[in-house]
Amino acid sequence: EIVLTQSPATLSLSPRERATLSCRASQSVFSFLAWYQQKPGQSPRLLIFDASNRATGIPARFSGSGSGTDFTLTISSLEPEDFAVYYCQQRSNWPFTFGGGTKVEIK
Amino acid sequence: EVQLLESGGGLVQPGGSLRLSCAASGFTFSSYGMSWVRQTPGKGLECISTISASGGNTYYIDSVKARFTISRDNSKNTVHLQMNSLRAEDTAVYYCAKDRFIGDYDHWGQGTLVTVSS
Repeated sequence: EIVLTQSPATLSLSPRERATLSCRASQSVFSFLAWYQQKPGQSPRLLIFDASNRATGIPARFSGSGSGTDFTLTISSLEPEDFAVYYCQQRSNWPFTFGGGTKVEIK
Repeated sequence: EVQLLESGGGLVQPGGSLRLSCAASGFTFSSYGMSWVRQTPGKGLECISTISASGGNTYYIDSVKARFTISRDNSKNTVHLQMNSLRAEDTAVYYCAKDRFIGDYDHWGQGTLVTVSS
């Protein structure tokens, strides 16, 4: 099973700051990596698929990069609605696995 | 608008059974794989089972294999998860999710809580 490790666990930032979230895979997942956002009481929402492609309706301030084992989600300028938990997920090998999440909180 | 509506969750004793259902609308159901993803505070998000668009291929994580069965009815736009021999560690919020492509999920239901406890 591929293990995804996200860092940091918590990121404390202010609105309009840049957020950089990391996801590392225990073996190569090529570019088969997605990012999701989850707010309290809500279901996860797909942000990025295949490492760098924004899902439908996702603002341009969200971008993804990386391949192989190291990936990054960048939020260029945090909006108030962006404070949430973010998960990475790989679809390279079954079972498809998620990282443990990074919480982006208001500083 | 894509909608996924889960039902069937609740409280069940260890060893018992539950059947979750997910009613889908707003897309061509028979063209997409469907999955069940569960979430717990301890283990986080887990994709526990997935079924191909035709229903011909199914996958399970090891911890639910031989206990859970995923199925779909393309004539009724529904997907089901039959859960038998339930254990305390199956307690979770269960989400139905539409595959964007194989293995990632572009739409999710609201989730249904399954609690396994005596």
